[in-house]
Order: sequence, then C-alpha cells, then structure tokens
Amino acid sequence: SSELTQDPAVSVALGQTVRITCQGDSLRTYFASWYQQKPGQAPVLVVYGADNRPSGIPARFSASKSGDIASLTITGAQADDEGDYYCITRDTSTSHAALGGGTKLTVL
Amino acid sequence: QVHLVESGGGVVQPGTSLRLSCATSGYIFGNHGLHWVRQAPGKGLEWVSLIWYDGSRKYYAEPVKGRFTISRDESEKAVYLQMDDLRVEDTAMYYCARDDSSGYYGLDVWGQGTTVTVSS
Repeated sequence: SSELTQDPAVSVALGQTVRITCQGDSLRTYFASWYQQKPGQAPVLVVYGADNRPSGIPARFSASKSGDIASLTITGAQADDEGDYYCITRDTSTSHAALGGGTKLTVL
Repeated sequence: QVHLVESGGGVVQPGTSLRLSCATSGYIFGNHGLHWVRQAPGKGLEWVSLIWYDGSRKYYAEPVKGRFTISRDESEKAVYLQMDDLRVEDTAMYYCARDDSSGYYGLDVWGQGTTVTVSS
C-alpha cells in the first residue's frame, strides 16, 4: 500500500504550469524525491531534496515542501513531460520507503 | 557511468523460489544502499526491500516479509533478492535502484528491470 497520497491524474495545456502534489506525515520530517516514468521504461529521478535536479533534467522541473505536502512543479510543460510521476520518501516510523500511488500527467 | 543490471527473472509456479541479482558498476559499491521496487502489470510502483550501504540494516515491505531476503556481496558488487514461496500477486517487473545516501531515500539510478511471472 502507498503511504503517500497523490492525485491519480492531472492535465495541463502545452506551455502552461502544473503542480503535482504528494501528501503524507513523513514529509513533515523528510524531503520527497520525484520520478518520471514513461510507458515501458524504468522510472527516472527528476527532482530530489529541497529542490535539486540530476544532471540532464530540465530546469522547468522544480520541487517544494510545506508541512506534510510536497510538490513537483513543471513550468512550461512540454509534450515530452507526459507520463506517470511518483513521489518517494522515508517513512519516519518504519524506515521503509513510502511511495505515492502515482499521478498520470497529460499535456493537452 | 553508474549502471545497474537486473537478472534472474522468469516464469515460475506458485510456491517456488527465484533469486534476482542486481549487478552494479561505475561507483563505490560500499557507499550506497540498494532498493528493490516492483511494478505489477498496469499498476503503480511498490517498494519491496532495502539494504543499507554496509549491509547492517535490511527492511522489507509487509507483503514480502518472511518470504523475501535481501543480501549483498561486496566482492561481486551485487545485491540479491531471494524470493521464496512465490505467489501470483508477486508477478511484476522488479527494479533495483541505488539509494543516494541522502537519508530520505532518493533513488538516483535505476536498472531496466527483470520480469517475474508467477502462474500455475
């Protein structure tokens, strides 16, 4: 089961800004990391920590956190950003990894 | 360049066993823990297990606790997932992913996965 809650689906018009959220008690203590997954491919880390991007990830991806909610923002969404997005953090009670159920992003 | 390569998947009957391997390269093996994450067909990601960078701690998701065992071999730079008493619901793509050592479980490098099918 997922200990982090994400909206199942979100859509955004091409070039507009979209925010994907992730809610869970463990986020009061730990940052979330965010992953993009396209059909038939392994997940890819896109943002981690306070707001860090791995090499090769476009600057339009950013992250923030407030209380028990972490957010991934895509500023100026592109068609290539379509896919499933997952958040992950460390569970404060068990030290297991807690995962969100995933958000399917559609770029219109 | 950091690489993770999973192997060992296959088609098996319920109640049997499989051992998955995750071969690593391109980084200092002893500096990072490794996770196993699975994805059933058409479903979301599900975390399975974690072994710390030094092997001192191991964690398991409730659905696999008591049936799966994670281990590591420093000399082979590999992590293994021994899966016993497999069930139909264990059918999934299994990914290994490197922990970034941040403390909050950033999984910064993923393998391409190996498929496990449990069917009678």
